[in-house]
Amino acid sequence: ETGVTQTPRHLVMGMTNKKSLKCEQHLGHNAMYWYKQSAKKPLELMFVYNFKEQTENNSVPSRFSPECPNSSHLFLHLHTLQPEDSALYLCASSQDTAGVEADTQYFGPGTRLTVL
Amino acid sequence: AQKITQTQPGMFVQEKEAVTLDCTYDTSDPSYGLFWYKQPSSGEMIFLIYQGSYDQQNATEGRYSLNFQKARKSANLVISASQLGDSAMYFCAMREFMNSGYSTLTFGKGTMLLVSP
Repeated sequence: ETGVTQTPRHLVMGMTNKKSLKCEQHLGHNAMYWYKQSAKKPLELMFVYNFKEQTENNSVPSRFSPECPNSSHLFLHLHTLQPEDSALYLCASSQDTAGVEADTQYFGPGTRLTVL
Repeated sequence: AQKITQTQPGMFVQEKEAVTLDCTYDTSDPSYGLFWYKQPSSGEMIFLIYQGSYDQQNATEGRYSLNFQKARKSANLVISASQLGDSAMYFCAMREFMNSGYSTLTFGKGTMLLVSP
């Protein structure tokens, strides 16, 4: 596997379900990100992890719970979601966000989530 | 306030022609970075090109070039010799530093490019 992978690619869940999204990067990067992409909206940053530590939480509701056990893996745990949470969830990684001028983020293919 | 503005919701171009996608930005930081990404219908965001605020020359990557006009705060993407596979959403993004000291990207709303035969 190369680059950034995400599983599952598609997910349909009810509002009372609990599910998790998984992201894995094979690039040796130290930073990982979760983004939400809703229809007709710009990409919204949700969480940022640097060296396994959460450095940004962009006012995300507590029904979204991130977990970063190591620099290669990132999870997004979902519980009691709302229909408006239906979106494409994108994971990204980069080498190091501090002090690197051209710190490029590389994205996974995304998980398309539908909440019924 | 919107920091990245892409004023063209959609653009059409014929195969083999060049096309320019507009992007303007707003920042008070002396040091910043500008990125362009391509998103096909499959959903994956593909990195295309990067321009640093202190770079003296416009960035180029194959058929992609960035027309960087710092005084106008614009960073337009130029795609030369368009191909059918270039049909996709294109996003302009700016690197910003957060309160934590780390940086991340702020994206524009995107431009849908359609290349016709």
